[in-house]
Amino acid sequence: DTGVSQDPRHKITKRGQNVTFRCDPISEHNRLYWYRQTLGQGPEFLTYFQNEAQLEKSRLLSDRFSAERPKGSFSTLEIQRTEQGDSAMYLCASSLLLAGVLNIQYFGAGTRLSVL
Amino acid sequence: AQKITQTQPGMFVQEKEAVTLDCTYDTSDPSYGLFWYKQPSSGEMIFLIYQGSYDQQNATEGRYSLNFQKARKSANLVISASQLGDSAMYFCAMRESLANFGNEKLTFGTGTRLTIIP
Repeated sequence: DTGVSQDPRHKITKRGQNVTFRCDPISEHNRLYWYRQTLGQGPEFLTYFQNEAQLEKSRLLSDRFSAERPKGSFSTLEIQRTEQGDSAMYLCASSLLLAGVLNIQYFGAGTRLSVL
Repeated sequence: AQKITQTQPGMFVQEKEAVTLDCTYDTSDPSYGLFWYKQPSSGEMIFLIYQGSYDQQNATEGRYSLNFQKARKSANLVISASQLGDSAMYFCAMRESLANFGNEKLTFGTGTRLTIIP
């Protein structure tokens, strides 16, 4: 059983460029989450999906951010016109929502974005 | 107000000693869950232990136990017999409104960096 996989692990880009990150959840997990973690802080919730439906978006997710989970499996997070303030670790997590079972979010190793 | 407060930015502990990492939380919701995650330098958040607000007993998982004091709104993580591999960042997190399947957001504290000294 492989864990949550994120690609790339590191991304360096210039301000104004677009970037896209990919997350592959644990197989059979129906929920997928994105968080952002800046230096010295804990992760902050961005958005989550149940299967292919995006059910909640944080105010942190500006119009430049878009997330998709087209077939209910992997997900992508795109940031358009990147700004230096977007520099952070982007963490993906997945979980299995099942009645009567504790819903634990399992995280990937993250994508570290540096905007120059 | 901070929902999750971790007041210890860093701790140094001798190998094989027990260590307590502090976490206090703030919520008016009667149904909530508290989680502890470990984040090694590799970046991955590793789930350690969970405590539900209605659980009668403190949670335990191997060398990890949770000292849950509901009236004080604290959920401290206790690691017994610390090992060098325990060196990492430790985050306390809360999920509110457990009865509402629509509420999935975890709110994290700022973390405690634990260093185990040989």
